[in-house]
Amino acid sequence: QLQLQESGPGLVKPSETLSLTCVVSGASIRSDYYYWGWLRQRPGKGLEWIAAIFYSTSTYYNPSLKGLFSISIDTSKSQFYLKLKSATAADTAVYYCARVPRPLSGSSNYYYYVDVWGKGTTVTVSS
Amino acid sequence: EIVLTQTPATLSLSPGERATLSCRASQSVTTNLAWYQQKPGQAPRLLIYDASNRATGIPARFSASGSGTDFTLTISSLEPEDFALYYCQHRSNWPLLTFGGGTKVEVK
Repeated sequence: QLQLQESGPGLVKPSETLSLTCVVSGASIRSDYYYWGWLRQRPGKGLEWIAAIFYSTSTYYNPSLKGLFSISIDTSKSQFYLKLKSATAADTAVYYCARVPRPLSGSSNYYYYVDVWGKGTTVTVSS
Repeated sequence: EIVLTQTPATLSLSPGERATLSCRASQSVTTNLAWYQQKPGQAPRLLIYDASNRATGIPARFSASGSGTDFTLTISSLEPEDFALYYCQHRSNWPLLTFGGGTKVEVK
């Protein structure tokens, strides 16, 4: 069964780089059928889509956040990553990694919906 | 950008009651809409896809309808485990996935 597990620093100082890792287990990250993505949920707020990546390294970003975050993948380690340069207090949130089915014939009906989520990792940006 | 507005923000009901949640899109998303449930301290889970189809393993007391700009999620008889946050999401603007602000279903 597919599992996604986020990890991160927990606490980051303002202006420092935030780096998160998501480990994919129970299924291949090199699937033609899925994107791998990141979302966040700020305290008391709703869900915000950040970015997605395909194993071929094609990347897709929320236009309002593009330039702030970068997403990458290492298929040999079955991991993908999110990086934010120069974090601010506004980036304090729970960050989720997730799977998003692609719209391919024979693929899930759930394309462009989030069908698998990690448990989330809390990141606090504070000095 | 298509904006999703969920109402009410909070719904106070008792177990066994019927819950009706609304999601309105600022322009048509046809039936490209999903609903998610999020319990405290947990990640969301997919409940409904394509406006009216239950995802795998979702109980029949959850139903949904709508198309275009107006959508409804109904929980026919609230179980204790149904008290949670509910979000709608549309997929019409990939690579941007947009979520509504959420409705909290709380115990009256």
